[in-house]
Amino acid sequence: GNSVTQMEGPVTLSEEAFLTINCTYTATGYPSLFWYVQYPGEGLQLLLKATKADDKGSNKGFEATYRKETTSFHLEKGSVQVSDSAVYFCALSDQEGYQKVTFGTGTKLQVIP
Amino acid sequence: DTEVTQTPKHLVMGMTNKKSLKCEQHMGHRAMYWYKQKAKKPPELMFVYSYEKLSINESVPSRFSPECPNSSLLNLHLHALQPEDSALYLCASSLQGTGRTDTQYFGPGTRLTVL
Repeated sequence: GNSVTQMEGPVTLSEEAFLTINCTYTATGYPSLFWYVQYPGEGLQLLLKATKADDKGSNKGFEATYRKETTSFHLEKGSVQVSDSAVYFCALSDQEGYQKVTFGTGTKLQVIP
Repeated sequence: DTEVTQTPKHLVMGMTNKKSLKCEQHMGHRAMYWYKQKAKKPPELMFVYSYEKLSINESVPSRFSPECPNSSLLNLHLHALQPEDSALYLCASSLQGTGRTDTQYFGPGTRLTVL
């Protein structure tokens, strides 16, 4: 079956620090990969996605590269802000049929001034 | 525009009440989803509608009853819920509902409390 493994949180960083949140996956097929962000008290927002190997998804200063050889999709940002404090979910979908998304457990990021 | 709207934002109900959650999108998406999210957990899929037909029911108890009146609207009817059903209920939509590149867009959720 499919699975997504994320690094345990919470991750606490000072403002302007470099962020990496690790994500690795196991899939039976050739998945598309996603990062979703959930701010406190809100729903999930699509942050970025990549649909094939070596693709780089990017948005709002966040980046992630689809690495098929290491089955990874690590999230990075060069300089985090307090407003980036949220829970980040790595996810995949790989079915050609009706879609089911497999989510990781989520990583809470706290950025302190 | 990638907006999915949900109403109400908050709902408190007793175990004998009947209530409904509403979800709406105007992106022309043909697939809509209900998820349940407990605190500090990822969302769990409940139902999928594709082209207004129920395509996936993840063995959800019958006290949850989904309805898709048209391609833009999705309802979740609630009856005789239990306190353990308290959670954030998320609606999502995607263009087709099939294919590995189909992308789901989520609404802000309804925070449900069952007393």
